[in-house]
Amino acid sequence: RKEVEQDPGPFNVPEGATVAFNCTYSNSASQSFFWYRQDCRKEPKLLMSVYSSGNEDGRFTAQLNRASQYISLLIRDSKLSDSATYLCVVSSSGTYKYIFGTGTRLKVLA
Amino acid sequence: GAGVSQSPSNKVTEKGKDVELRCDPISGHTALYWYRQSLGQGLEFLIYFQGNSAPDKSGLPSDRFSAERTGGSVSTLTIQRTQQEDSAVYLCATLRGSGAGGEQFFGPGTRLTVL
Repeated sequence: RKEVEQDPGPFNVPEGATVAFNCTYSNSASQSFFWYRQDCRKEPKLLMSVYSSGNEDGRFTAQLNRASQYISLLIRDSKLSDSATYLCVVSSSGTYKYIFGTGTRLKVLA
Repeated sequence: GAGVSQSPSNKVTEKGKDVELRCDPISGHTALYWYRQSLGQGLEFLIYFQGNSAPDKSGLPSDRFSAERTGGSVSTLTIQRTQQEDSAVYLCATLRGSGAGGEQFFGPGTRLTVL
C-alpha cells in the first residue's frame, strides 16, 4: 500500500462547478499536511497547508480527518485557471521527510 | 535571486555519459531536497541535506547517483554512466529550518533526457 494515495482522475468539471478530492495516508504518526498545485511541465507550488480544524482560502477549503486518515480539498466556483494537478503531501512529526501523492488531475471545461 | 534556481533547464545526453545538475537555494534556507519526477508519476525523494550534511541518502536509486552541498548553499546532483531509465525531471526544493512541517519552495527543475 502506498503511503499517500490519490485518485489520479482526471476530474472533468464545467466552469462554476464544485469539485472535491480526497487523499488517504497510511502513517498514523503523520502531523503535517499540504496541498500543492502543479501545472503542466512546471514545478509544484504550495496551495495551502491543512490544519486540524480545517481551513479555507477563498474558493478553496481543506479538511483533515485523522480518524479515517484522509485529507480533502474542495474547490468552489471552479475557474478555467484551476486546471492543474493537485498533489497531496504528508509529513511525520519531527521528520524532514515529505511524502507526495501522485496527484489528482483537474480539468475545468468552458 | 528570490527563488530556487536550477541549471541546466534541459539536458540531453547519451547513455553512459555523466551529468551534473545544479541547485541554487533561497538564501538562508538550510534544508534542501532533491526529487525525481518521471512522466505522469509523483515525486520520488532522492536525498535531503541539512546544511552541508546529508543525513538521508536512502532515496538515491543506485551508486551511480551522488550529491553534495557546499557552504550550506549550492547543491549538485551527479549521475554517472547515465541510463535511459534516468530520464526524468529532477527537482530541487528548499525550506527554512530543519524541514519538518514547513513549506517547500521548488526550483523549475532540470529535464534530463538520456538517449
